[in-house]
Amino acid sequence: DAGVIQSPRHEVTEMGQEVTLRCKPISGHDYLFWYRQTMMRGLELLIYFNNNVPIDDSGMPEDRFSAKMPNASFSTLKIQPSEPRDSAVYFCASSLYLGTQQETQYFGPGTRLLVL
Amino acid sequence: AQKITQTQPGMFVQEKEAVTLDCTYDTSDQSYGLFWYKQPSSGEMIFLIYQGSYDEQNATEGRYSLNFQKARKSANLVISASQLGDSAMYFCAMNDDVSGGSNYKLTFGKGTLLTVNP
Repeated sequence: DAGVIQSPRHEVTEMGQEVTLRCKPISGHDYLFWYRQTMMRGLELLIYFNNNVPIDDSGMPEDRFSAKMPNASFSTLKIQPSEPRDSAVYFCASSLYLGTQQETQYFGPGTRLLVL
Repeated sequence: AQKITQTQPGMFVQEKEAVTLDCTYDTSDQSYGLFWYKQPSSGEMIFLIYQGSYDEQNATEGRYSLNFQKARKSANLVISASQLGDSAMYFCAMNDDVSGGSNYKLTFGKGTLLTVNP
């Protein structure tokens, strides 16, 4: 079975440009998560969805960040306008359930973003 | 206080020996889950093992075992018979209800970089 799919794997852009990261969760998983990983802050949860509905976006750093999940098999994380401090690895993860402690989140390969 | 503490920034182990990676956690929940993930240099996050707070036995998955000491709030990962391919960053994580409204979130430690020497 295919795991979580993310695209692009690498993105280099210039400050001020719009960046769109894409994610396809594991089929049948009801929960989708977006994380950001940096050396300084480690892994941070940005937002998560349940059945395509955003549940908690308290981790989204500012209004320049937005996330959507138009259907069960696709989500986007958009940064507009991008800034150099947004440079990080962005992970998408999915899980079957939440609200129980044992549900494992499976991660995609990540998108390595560099904003110049 | 940090929710997940990994006190070892780096660890070294000889090939074929066992190694323990430390993890302590902080939660007031009775129901929570503990996870270990491996991140090799290629960058992906690989799930290794899970331990539930109500599980009475320590979790095992092949060469991985989780030494769960609930009273001490520790969840150490033990890797037996280390292999060169085990060299990676290892993250401990906890899934608990952060707001009391069934809002479970996964919180990660800062990681331990394991190097296996030949």
